Amino acid sequence: DAGVTQSPTHLIKTRGQQVTLRCSPKSGHDTVSWYQQALGQGPQFIFQYYEEEERQRGNFPDRFSGHQFPNYSSELNVNALLLGDSALYLCASSLRIGTARQETQYFGPGTRLLVL
Amino acid sequence: AQTVTQSQPEMSVQEAETVTLSCTYDTSESDYYLFWYKQPPSRQMILVIRQEAYKQQNATENRFSVNFQKAAKSFSLKISDSQLGDAAMYFCAYRSAVYSGGGADGLTFGKGTHLIIQP
Repeated sequence: DAGVTQSPTHLIKTRGQQVTLRCSPKSGHDTVSWYQQALGQGPQFIFQYYEEEERQRGNFPDRFSGHQFPNYSSELNVNALLLGDSALYLCASSLRIGTARQETQYFGPGTRLLVL
Repeated sequence: AQTVTQSQPEMSVQEAETVTLSCTYDTSESDYYLFWYKQPPSRQMILVIRQEAYKQQNATENRFSVNFQKAAKSFSLKISDSQLGDAAMYFCAYRSAVYSGGGADGLTFGKGTHLIIQP
């Protein structure tokens, strides 16, 4: 049973560039959430995708955007990179049950992004 | 907005002893979930234990158990018979169980507690 996978594992970019991070959910899951974890901090919720639509968004600017594909995999795009975007980006997947509740979120290993 | 507070940046325990990690949260909701996640140096966030707020019984998973005090908004994690492999960052997290428009909320995390296991 494949768990959540993310690619790439590490990435180095310069200020102003754009980056795309990828996530494949755990088998059987249909919902993907993205989190940003700065060094020494807890993860912060960026947004969540279900049925190929952004369903919920945290306090992040529009430079952060995403996409979900029909196979439930997802991408996180960050435009106009800032030094402060350097962080570990975590993807989590879950299964939406009906319209009210989700099951537990399971995390991938993360992508470490360094912006120079 | 909900907040999660972990007041212990670092804890140390002898191998085979018991340690308790503290977590408090603030919410106006009555229906929610609480989680403890473990993040070893490999960075993979691993679910340790989960508690539904509507359940009075404290969750347990082998050597891990919680003390859930809903009125006090407290959710501590007890690790019994500590092992070297338990060394990691531990994060307490909150999630609303309320269906809010497009979907359920993302997780709100505390800042974490670094657990050190002394051999």
